[in-house]
Amino acid sequence: GAGVSQSPSNKVTEKGKDVELRCDPISGHTALYWYRQSLGQGLEFLIYFQGNSAPDKSGLPSDRFSAERTGGSVSTLTIQRTQQEDSAVYLCASSLGTGGITGELFFGEGSRLTVL
Amino acid sequence: GNSVTQMEGPVTLSEEAFLTINCTYTATGYPSLFWYVQYPGEGLQLLLKATKADDKGSNKGFEATYRKETTSFHLEKGSVQVSDSAVYFCALPRNQAGTALIFGKGTTLSVSS
Repeated sequence: GAGVSQSPSNKVTEKGKDVELRCDPISGHTALYWYRQSLGQGLEFLIYFQGNSAPDKSGLPSDRFSAERTGGSVSTLTIQRTQQEDSAVYLCASSLGTGGITGELFFGEGSRLTVL
Repeated sequence: GNSVTQMEGPVTLSEEAFLTINCTYTATGYPSLFWYVQYPGEGLQLLLKATKADDKGSNKGFEATYRKETTSFHLEKGSVQVSDSAVYFCALPRNQAGTALIFGKGTTLSVSS
C-alpha cells in the first residue's frame, strides 16, 4: 500500500483479555518498529525488526508483550492478559534500511487500545 | 543509551508569531538529530534533520541548528500559521547501533488567527 497501515484503529477490551494489533508496512521496507504513545509519556520504543528477526526487543515492558513479523512484511503485536496501564496508542513505523540512523521512519496512524 | 528532553507545552501563539521549541540531548558520539511533526488525525512524519554539528535542517519554514557545544537542537519558525498547529517531537538514534529512534515527550502547538 501507499503508507503504513494499522488495524484495528480502535480496540476496547476487558482487563485480562488478550489483544492482537496488526501492522502492514510500506512495501519493500525492511525495518519495522513498534512504539507506544501514552498521554504525558511521549513515544516509548517497544521493538525493532530487521526482516523477520528482532535484534532489539529491549523496550517490551513485560513478558505479556510479544511481537512477530512474517515474510518480511506484516507484523503482529500481542498483549496477553491486558491491564489498564496497557491503555495507549500503539504506533507502527517502517523504514528502508536502518531508519534509526537515517531518521526516515514512516508511521501509521496507530491503534488506540482501551482496557476497561 | 541516548536521551532527549524537550520543552513541554502546550504552546499557544497568534498567527505570525515567532516560535521556539527547545530540545536538548545526551548522546554517545555525534548522532543525527531530527524533528517530527504529528498533525491532528495523522501519523508522525519527519519534518527536518541535521546530520552533523553546525548543520541547519529546514523545511516548511521551520529551522533547527545542531549545536554540539550546548547539545541542543531547538526548533524555530519566524512566522507561524494556523496550519502549523500540531504536536512536535525532537528525536535522535536510540543508541550507536541505530536500532531505532527515541523521541521527546512532544510539544503541542496551537496557533490562533
